[in-house]
Amino acid sequence: DTGVSQNPRHKITKRGQNVTFRCDPISEHNRLYWYRQTLGQGPEFLTYFQNEAQLEKSRLLSDRFSAERPKGSFSTLEIQRTEQGDSAMYLCASRRPGHPNTEAFFGQGTRLTVV
Amino acid sequence: AQSVTQLDSQVPVFEEAPVELRCNYSSSVSVYLFWYVQYPNQGLQLLLKYLSGSTLVKGINGFEAEFNKSQTSFHLRKPSVHISDTAEYFCAVSDPQGGGSYIPTFGRGTSLIVHP
Repeated sequence: DTGVSQNPRHKITKRGQNVTFRCDPISEHNRLYWYRQTLGQGPEFLTYFQNEAQLEKSRLLSDRFSAERPKGSFSTLEIQRTEQGDSAMYLCASRRPGHPNTEAFFGQGTRLTVV
Repeated sequence: AQSVTQLDSQVPVFEEAPVELRCNYSSSVSVYLFWYVQYPNQGLQLLLKYLSGSTLVKGINGFEAEFNKSQTSFHLRKPSVHISDTAEYFCAVSDPQGGGSYIPTFGRGTSLIVHP
């Protein structure tokens, strides 16, 4: 169990550029969640996958945000035409299937700064 | 819809003193409740959770929380804090009937600052 891995840990980009973040969940965890955390706030849910199926995406912040999990393993979160308001920590979490008495494990996050 | 209110944005306390971090939730259905801790530049780590059964839940690092349905609260307590407990603490709620997603909804967090 190597934990949830997120890359890169930090990303600085110019406004208007596209960025992509990667999340590698714990092996055999079929559920994967993306959250955004801004300074002084709790994590805000963005989207959720069960295997390769994206089951909830209505809370993605705008159509500039998209996520994929093509083979049901790693996932990517892309932000197009970044804005300064996109600056935040982006967190990924994964859970194994079955009973809710299973913990969601979080990665260390990707901190995005848009300049 | 579910929501979580953490009443204190910051709680300063001296080392070895007791502490309580407050959490209230609103939900029209039964809930699962969680406390997570976040150290600087780190992800979230689960401290404890309430799914059902005993309302007093014990977690890691000496923390415990009590589920109070009538007051819709899930306050976190520790009888004696250490400097190393300085961190951000998040209360979260999820819906047992959420179609299997169990998506946690988080409060805005409480910063626990332990002074020597």
